Amino acid sequence: NAGVTQTPKFQVLKTGQSMTLQCAQDMNHNSMYWYRQDPGMGLRLIYYSASEGTTDKGEVPNGYNVSRLNKREFSLRLESAAPSQTSVYFCASSQNSNQPQHFGDGTRLSIL
Amino acid sequence: QKEVEQNSGPLSVPEGAIASLNCTYSDRGSQSFFWYRQYSGKSPELIMFIYSNGDKEDGRFTAQLNKASQYVSLLIRDSQPSDSATYLCAVNGASSSASKIIFGSGTRLSIRP
Repeated sequence: NAGVTQTPKFQVLKTGQSMTLQCAQDMNHNSMYWYRQDPGMGLRLIYYSASEGTTDKGEVPNGYNVSRLNKREFSLRLESAAPSQTSVYFCASSQNSNQPQHFGDGTRLSIL
Repeated sequence: QKEVEQNSGPLSVPEGAIASLNCTYSDRGSQSFFWYRQYSGKSPELIMFIYSNGDKEDGRFTAQLNKASQYVSLLIRDSQPSDSATYLCAVNGASSSASKIIFGSGTRLSIRP
């Protein structure tokens, strides 16, 4: 049982480049989330999707876009990467917001 | 005011003692409360969740919730060196933002032998 799978695990970008972080879950969860974590800090919510077909902004949405492709997949896109977006990105899923989240292993993203 | 607040620590506790971690939240309508443990370089893993006022016990861990005072705490009894990690408190939103889950900045816990 894979749980939540994130790709890639590591990525280095140049300022201004674009990329998409992929996330897929196989637990038939309704809700999916994208967080970023900076050194010594907790998780900050970027975007979330309460159910297939819906997405909403979290605490720090600027510079990001998301797509809930289907129930399994929730992608995060950086259109024009900036050094301030260097971070570890975690995808999570849960049955709904009242249930515990399951996390992927994270994507370590560096922007030069 | 941040939505979920935790003391960043580090909190140093001797092995075998009780570690007490606290979290306050601002949204009075929040319904669900979670504690996660995160080891350095790893993803968060669930320790406990609690929905109702009072205490909930699971092995060496006890979660305590006081909705009137808007705080939730985690007690770790008989602390072990393997408990050394960052503990994250998470709270779901209320009403119009009920679907989002917000994390505190985490408390670093160090268990000294």
